[in-house]
Amino acid sequence: KNQVEQSPQSLIILEGKNCTLQCNYTVSPFSNLRWYKQDTGRGPVSLTIMTFSENTKSNGRYTATLDADTKQSSLHITASQLSDSASYICVVSAAGSYIPTFGRGTSLIVHP
Amino acid sequence: DGGITQSPKYLFRKEGQNVTLSCEQNLNHDAMYWYRQDPGQGLRLIYYSQIVNDFQKGDIAEGYSVSREKKESFPLTVTSAQKNPTAFYLCASSIGGTGDEKLFFGSGTQLSVL
Repeated sequence: KNQVEQSPQSLIILEGKNCTLQCNYTVSPFSNLRWYKQDTGRGPVSLTIMTFSENTKSNGRYTATLDADTKQSSLHITASQLSDSASYICVVSAAGSYIPTFGRGTSLIVHP
Repeated sequence: DGGITQSPKYLFRKEGQNVTLSCEQNLNHDAMYWYRQDPGQGLRLIYYSQIVNDFQKGDIAEGYSVSREKKESFPLTVTSAQKNPTAFYLCASSIGGTGDEKLFFGSGTQLSVL
């Protein structure tokens, strides 16, 4: 069964600090992996997409990594801001499947 | 400004009542989806549609119904058979529904039971 596990479940950091969120998956055959950011009471918004051949991709202060061999991805946030407070969801797509698999998300709170 | 519009933002349901959540998109996407989100849970798929006049059940379709009469519209009805309907409902769309595309989400509807 395709599964996506995220850790930690929640994280509290001080403004300006860095943090790393983890995503482990058992989705097969792998097609791509996306990270979404979901603000409270809003719909998720795509941050990055990682394909099999990509190891690292940056989007501003967000950097995603992918290790297709160990089936792990991480999302690193640099110099956190209050606006980074949100839930971050890892979504993995399998080749030939019409439906991607969602992780439960990591809730990030950035304190001033 | 292209996007997905969900309405209403908040909805209350009485016992035995059916309620309908609206979802409209002007992105010209073929595929549309309905997800349910409970606190501390991941998004769970209720129904999806890859083309007009066709839709498929997701993991938790019981107690819900949908229609896809127009490309831009995918309303979700929460029937009285859904015994625990309180949740945040998200509508999404993608270009072709191949499963590996970026999903574009609406702002959600919070449904509560009176």
